[in-house]
Amino acid sequence: QLQESGPGLVRPSETLSISCTVSGDSINSASYYWGWIRQPPGKGLEWIGSIFYDETTYYNPSLKSPVTISLASSKNQLSLKLTSVTAADTAVYYCARQKIESSMILYFDYWGQGALVTVSS
Amino acid sequence: DIELTQTPLSLSATPGQPASISCKSSQSLLRRDGRTYLYWYLQRPGQPPQLLMFEVSKRFSGVPDRFSGSGSGTDFTLKISRVEPEDVGVYYCMQSLQFPLTFGGGTKVEIK
Repeated sequence: QLQESGPGLVRPSETLSISCTVSGDSINSASYYWGWIRQPPGKGLEWIGSIFYDETTYYNPSLKSPVTISLASSKNQLSLKLTSVTAADTAVYYCARQKIESSMILYFDYWGQGALVTVSS
Repeated sequence: DIELTQTPLSLSATPGQPASISCKSSQSLLRRDGRTYLYWYLQRPGQPPQLLMFEVSKRFSGVPDRFSGSGSGTDFTLKISRVEPEDVGVYYCMQSLQFPLTFGGGTKVEIK
């Protein structure tokens, strides 16, 4: 299971921070990446980035706000930070487990329920 | 970036009748290892996306066999052989051949 927790409301130009607690699995597994995907209200899905247990990370370069994804192994959590956010960063943010095979990143097989974050003054 | 274009944007399906959704990629999703990195998801209203198909035509665990996927290279199709009311939602294709990972724009399926 994956469960996101976030602030709900963030002011423009501030930092958005969301965490995702993983249960029933270890984020230190070499079988999975852990990813973040977002969905603006009424719109489609956008991949933000994915991280491996050794902290290898891939990001979507199209995101305008700087992004950092990190792991907290002791808490079995992954986290997402977007700095200098704007209204365009308003979205439901999902964390998801991502299968890998033969070093190829594959599909997201399990998703959290998502956390809505609104950027507004 | 690999662009995935889904058609139609929406469809109204009759229960018990078939329905199909197309996903066209801006470049081939076939890798030199012989695998094609194309997946299908269903997002029911108010829910996160759930994986239906991986590598074009392989059903994920628990997915009913009325769902099937086909295609190769750049053209892919998701078919529902007999639409049921619980199939309502938005369907997305996704590729993982190349970063950034990308999704199609989605196809909204409703029931007549």
